[in-house]
Amino acid sequence: QVQLVESGGGVVQPGGSLRLSCAASGFTFSSYGMHWVRQAPGKGLEWVAFIRYDGSNKYYADSVKGRFTISRDNSKNTLYLQMNSLRAEDTAVYYCAKDSAVAGTRGEYFQHWGQGTLVTVSS
Amino acid sequence: SYELTQPPSVSVSPGQTARITCSGDALPKQYAYWYQQKPGQAPVLVIYKDSERPSGIPERFSGSSSGTTVTLTISGVQAEDEADYYCQSADSSGTYRVVFGGGTKLTVL
Repeated sequence: QVQLVESGGGVVQPGGSLRLSCAASGFTFSSYGMHWVRQAPGKGLEWVAFIRYDGSNKYYADSVKGRFTISRDNSKNTLYLQMNSLRAEDTAVYYCAKDSAVAGTRGEYFQHWGQGTLVTVSS
Repeated sequence: SYELTQPPSVSVSPGQTARITCSGDALPKQYAYWYQQKPGQAPVLVIYKDSERPSGIPERFSGSSSGTTVTLTISGVQAEDEADYYCQSADSSGTYRVVFGGGTKLTVL
C-alpha cells in the first residue's frame, strides 16, 4: 500500500527558509517521478515542482523558480522541497504526490497523494 | 500561457447526472485527468487519460473528450459525491509543467 507522509511544515517569517520532507513507502521509490503540489487556504491546487525518478531532471512552476529546490534521496525513500525567500503567497498546504509513470522522463499524473503539511509565512 | 477553465460550481439533485467541463487549447493533444477533493482531505484521482477509471472508483464516474473540452460525468449522483473537482493536464510545448483547472464545487441539493 502506497504511503506518502509529509513533514517539516510550520510558521516562518517572510524571507525565511523551510525544508519539507516526504517519506515514501509501499512502492519502489527509485522508479517513480515525484511532485510537490500546494493549495493556499480556500484556493485551488497549484503544481509546484517535479523530479525525475533518478533525480536527473527537475521542473518548476514559474511562481517558485529560483527560490524552491526539489530533490530526492532514493537510498532513504525520501523526497524534499527546500524553500527559500518565502513570501506570504507561499502560505499553503504542501502535498507530495507520486507520479504514475515508471521511469518516466516527464510527469504524467498524480496517482497517489500524501495528506499534506501546512506552511504559513507570516511575521 | 496554457490554462484550463472549469465552471466554479455545479448543482444537482441526488440521482441526477452531473457534468463538469474543462476547456483548454492543448486538450486535443494532451490527456486530461480528474481529481476529487473533499474538505480537509487530499485529492483523489477519479479519471485518468480522459476516460479511464482507476480501480476502486465507482462506475458512476466517467470521462469523455471532444476537441478542446473534456467532461467529467457523474451518473446517479449521491450525497457523498459532494466535493471539489479539478481537471489537470500537462504543458509540454516548452519546458514541462503541470496545469490545473480552477476547480468546480459540486453541490448535491
